[in-house]
Amino acid sequence: NAGVTQTPKFQVLKTGQSMTLQCAQDMNHEYMSWYRQDPGMGLRLIHYSVGAGITDQGEVPNGYNVSRSTTEDFPLRLLSAAPSQTSVYFCASSLEPLYFYNEQFFGPGTRLTVL
Amino acid sequence: KQEVTQIPAALSVPEGENLVLNCSFTDSAIYNLQWFRQDPGKGLTSLLLIQSSQREQTSGRLNASLDKSSGRSTLYIAASQPGDSATYLCAVNTGNQFYFGTGTSLTVIP
Repeated sequence: NAGVTQTPKFQVLKTGQSMTLQCAQDMNHEYMSWYRQDPGMGLRLIHYSVGAGITDQGEVPNGYNVSRSTTEDFPLRLLSAAPSQTSVYFCASSLEPLYFYNEQFFGPGTRLTVL
Repeated sequence: KQEVTQIPAALSVPEGENLVLNCSFTDSAIYNLQWFRQDPGKGLTSLLLIQSSQREQTSGRLNASLDKSSGRSTLYIAASQPGDSATYLCAVNTGNQFYFGTGTSLTVIP
């Protein structure tokens, strides 16, 4: 199993550009999520999904869109990038929704810089 | 809103020492708590998961405890090694969301 994979590893954008961060898992996990990690702030949840076709907002959803058309993939879209979105983005997955006491498994991260 | 705090922010110990990392949270209505390790520039690796009904979990040299009523968890690392140097994060699950602490950066000196 490859586990949770993320692409790209690094990305530089200009303000106003759009892009999609890719996340895929091959463990047949129902729950997937996106976090951003900023210095001194810890990881904060952006969006999550409890299964294909079902998504919901986390703590910091503004400026980001998600969709879940398959169990394996959970892309994160930035529609109009802003410097405040400069961060490291992590995708995570678990077998079932978190309240079923599941471990989360994390991808290696995408380091995004918005100029 | 759940607030998670980890103290100290940084810790440096000589090799072989036993150590304790602390995690506190403000809302005791949690499903579970998970400890992670993060190496520089890398993702998070799960170390231990404690369910809300459990008091502790052990894996090798690691032991994590949970006192839900007081909003505290500790991660005990026995006989520390230089390879244990990393940032350790705790996260509490309140349903479908994890709330993370800002981590403790551990350096084990050979």
